Amino acid sequence: DAKTTQPPSMDCAEGRAANLPCNHSTISGNEYVYWYRQIHSQGPQYIIHGLKNNETNEMASLIITEDRKSSTLILPHATLRDTAVYYCIVRGFNTGTASKLTFGTGTRLQVTL
Amino acid sequence: NAGVTQTPKFRVLKTGQSMTLLCAQDMNHEYMYWYRQDPGMGLRLIHYSVGEGTTAKGEVPDGYNVSRLKKQNFLLGLESAAPSQTSVYFCASSHEQGRAEAFFGQGTRLTVV
Repeated sequence: DAKTTQPPSMDCAEGRAANLPCNHSTISGNEYVYWYRQIHSQGPQYIIHGLKNNETNEMASLIITEDRKSSTLILPHATLRDTAVYYCIVRGFNTGTASKLTFGTGTRLQVTL
Repeated sequence: NAGVTQTPKFRVLKTGQSMTLLCAQDMNHEYMYWYRQDPGMGLRLIHYSVGEGTTAKGEVPDGYNVSRLKKQNFLLGLESAAPSQTSVYFCASSHEQGRAEAFFGQGTRLTVV
């Protein structure tokens, strides 16, 4: 699975959009980009994933560049409850094998009043 | 549905003692994973399973053993605990169709003294 690079920390004012970048320059054609977050010491929580098209769900939007070498997770209206560590993960799939989730150190997002 | 349940939630062991961590999922998922998370670090994969009766090594398997006798349960064993195994342990499960999200338990905080 491709390696990812994320800034160690970011701040965002409550109510504003939080844009979390991720570089994955060695991503290959069959690898998806996943985002998870970990609030305090809880288990990680799935947010969103995508292959090459932009994706949106009730939690966030995922923007993947055309060359797929980077992506941005967007929390449109950040709240204090969005304060967490956000992990960008590139995950490949091969028929018959487990698609392992490999975590880096993520981005610590601090949402402030 | 309970999702992914880990027991126990907290445990203190003396060096050399053994214990088993239990992970149970009620979502009929094929894949199950055990991770450890040390302070300030991301999750590291210990062992994983692609189905009942199968197990495989992850990134940091030494000092641990696992078993998947039933589809819904994934056990992580420490035969002779060491202080270096002090960590928070997370279990996760996902569908066989690997693009699906992984669900995590709330963690087991283990201290080895």
